[in-house]
Amino acid sequence: GNSVTQMEGPVTLSEEAFLTINCTYTATGYPSLFWYVQYPGEGLQLLLKATKADDKGSNKGFEATYRKETTSFHLEKGSVQVSDSAVYFCAFLSVTGRRALTFGSGTRLQVQP
Amino acid sequence: SQTIHQWPATLVQPVGSPLSLECTVEGTSNPNLYWYRQAAGRGLQLLFYSVGIGQISSEVPQNLSASRPQDRQFILSSKKLLLSDSGFYLCAWSARGMDSPLHFGNGTRLTVT
Repeated sequence: GNSVTQMEGPVTLSEEAFLTINCTYTATGYPSLFWYVQYPGEGLQLLLKATKADDKGSNKGFEATYRKETTSFHLEKGSVQVSDSAVYFCAFLSVTGRRALTFGSGTRLQVQP
Repeated sequence: SQTIHQWPATLVQPVGSPLSLECTVEGTSNPNLYWYRQAAGRGLQLLFYSVGIGQISSEVPQNLSASRPQDRQFILSSKKLLLSDSGFYLCAWSARGMDSPLHFGNGTRLTVT
């Protein structure tokens, strides 16, 4: 069935370190892919998205590329800040069936000064 | 601009008591509406989604129900809460387009004692 697999956290990095959070999906067809971020005590916010193969979504220094051949959408940032500490969720929207996002389990990122 | 309101922010209820969480959206019409639950340390689970007034799709069998009495109002209910209903409940909306992202409310933290 449809699913999203994210690397387990927590991920602990020092400020200005390079970040990668892996995400792979299993879905029929070519879904739209999303990264959401949840800051402490808040709801989720859309971080970036990509709707077709080889698209790169980017926002706030974060990037993710839609890789059809590996069914992946890894999140990257060249230099993380303390304010990036949050939980990051990978998700996809299927082109068939229900029109609702399927989320991964989330990866907690902790950035230390 | 569109906004989503979800209340209450926190709720402590005894086992066996009823539940009603309300969510309203402003600034858009005919949105898709969603209820997700985030259990402690886990990802998001889709509970219900609605594509129109009175149209509710349930994703998992459970102790909860949802209703959409008006176009921009989505209510999550239970007649008798269980301990396992504790969690963080998130309401979300999306526009009707193919790749429309979800916009989340700030969530309700429910503790069943």
